[in-house]
Amino acid sequence: SQTIHQWPATLVQPVGSPLSLECTVEGTSNPNLYWYRQAAGRGLQLLFYSVGIGQISSEVPQNLSASRPQDRQFILSSKKLLLSDSGFYLCAWSGQDFGGYTFGSGTRLTVV
Amino acid sequence: AQSVTQPDIHITVSEGASLELRCNYSYGATPYLFWYVQSPGQGLQLLLKYFSGDTLVQGIKGFEAEFKRSQSSFNLRKPSVHWSDAAEYFCAVVAFSGGYQKVTFGTGTKLQVIP
Repeated sequence: SQTIHQWPATLVQPVGSPLSLECTVEGTSNPNLYWYRQAAGRGLQLLFYSVGIGQISSEVPQNLSASRPQDRQFILSSKKLLLSDSGFYLCAWSGQDFGGYTFGSGTRLTVV
Repeated sequence: AQSVTQPDIHITVSEGASLELRCNYSYGATPYLFWYVQSPGQGLQLLLKYFSGDTLVQGIKGFEAEFKRSQSSFNLRKPSVHWSDAAEYFCAVVAFSGGYQKVTFGTGTKLQVIP
């Protein structure tokens, strides 16, 4: 069966520090991969999606970047965190024949 | 562009009572619709989905939803709520463009269950 792993679960980082969040999917090939952010009291905002290795599309211009170095690995990064980057980050995958998202368990990022 | 509205930010129901969470969507074609549930500090879990066919969709945990095209609605229902149903619920609509599917989520409804 397919599983999605996201880590770390919780992260507290100072302003100006770098960020790297990792997401991996098991049990499937060539998934579509997504990064969402959920800010307090708000809905889910799509940040990046990828339909293949090295292919990244950005939905919202921001302080963050994404990379997909391997088929089932999706990384969210920042060179210098801002206070406004705080939030709950969710990775998700879908198959090519889209039947819905499967989400990871999320990373709670607090920038202090 | 598609959009989703969940008009209720918070809902409180008594355990054992029935539940209906509202969702209205805007989309030019036949929509693909989803309901997700999120427990505090957790990711989102798919409850049910509608792609086509029978407009009454059964999901996990005893939930169901009915697609009503005339009302552009996809309301979630449960006949008897359990305390473990306390969570946040998200409705979502999918648009397909250039081989890629874009999912738009509503802002969520937080459900509180009281004894």
